[in-house]
Amino acid sequence: DIQMAQSPSSLSASVGDRVTITCRASQNIISYLNWYQHKPGKAPKLLIYAASSLHSGVPSRFSGSGSGTDFTLTISGLQPEDFATYYCQQSYTMPLTFGGGTKVEIK
Amino acid sequence: QITLKESGPTLVKPTQTLTLTCTFSGFSLSTSGVGVGWIRQPPGKAPEWLALIYWNDDKRYSPSLKSRLTITKDTSKNQVVLTLTNMDPVDSATYYCAHRLGGGSPIFDYWGQGTLVTVSS
Repeated sequence: DIQMAQSPSSLSASVGDRVTITCRASQNIISYLNWYQHKPGKAPKLLIYAASSLHSGVPSRFSGSGSGTDFTLTISGLQPEDFATYYCQQSYTMPLTFGGGTKVEIK
Repeated sequence: QITLKESGPTLVKPTQTLTLTCTFSGFSLSTSGVGVGWIRQPPGKAPEWLALIYWNDDKRYSPSLKSRLTITKDTSKNQVVLTLTNMDPVDSATYYCAHRLGGGSPIFDYWGQGTLVTVSS
């Protein structure tokens, strides 16, 4: 199985901050990397797919980059509604695997 | 508008079989390229992909759980059913179903809110 390692596991930030979350795959997954946002009790939301494509309806302050094994999710100008847990997921091969998550908390 | 909703028991006993139903709207599982997957998340842990069924009845399973999982679809009812046999306390988790973004690799663009399943005697 492809292992997905996210860092940091949590971070504290203020509204307006630029936040960067990284995800590293245990092998080359080209650009088959997706990012999700999850709030407690809610349905997870797709933010970014194929490493850098913004899903429909997702604010442009979210962006993704990377290829191969190293990927980044950036939130440019953190908003109150962005405090949540973020997960990466590889869709290069079965079994599909997720990262351990990054919890973004209010500073 | 695509929506999905999971339903099933909240409490099951060890060794029992869990049956969960995903009822969806806004798409058809008879449309080429469409798929529905199941993902679970134990409390405080990472999500774990379980199974995926495609419009053509192609099915994929997590290798670690394949012997215990079955995924089926009822296109006329807009439902996908997941069964997991021989339940154990480690199977306690929130179970989600999700719509697969059409074409290419499996990406889940819409998810249900999930249903919490506890395994306890």
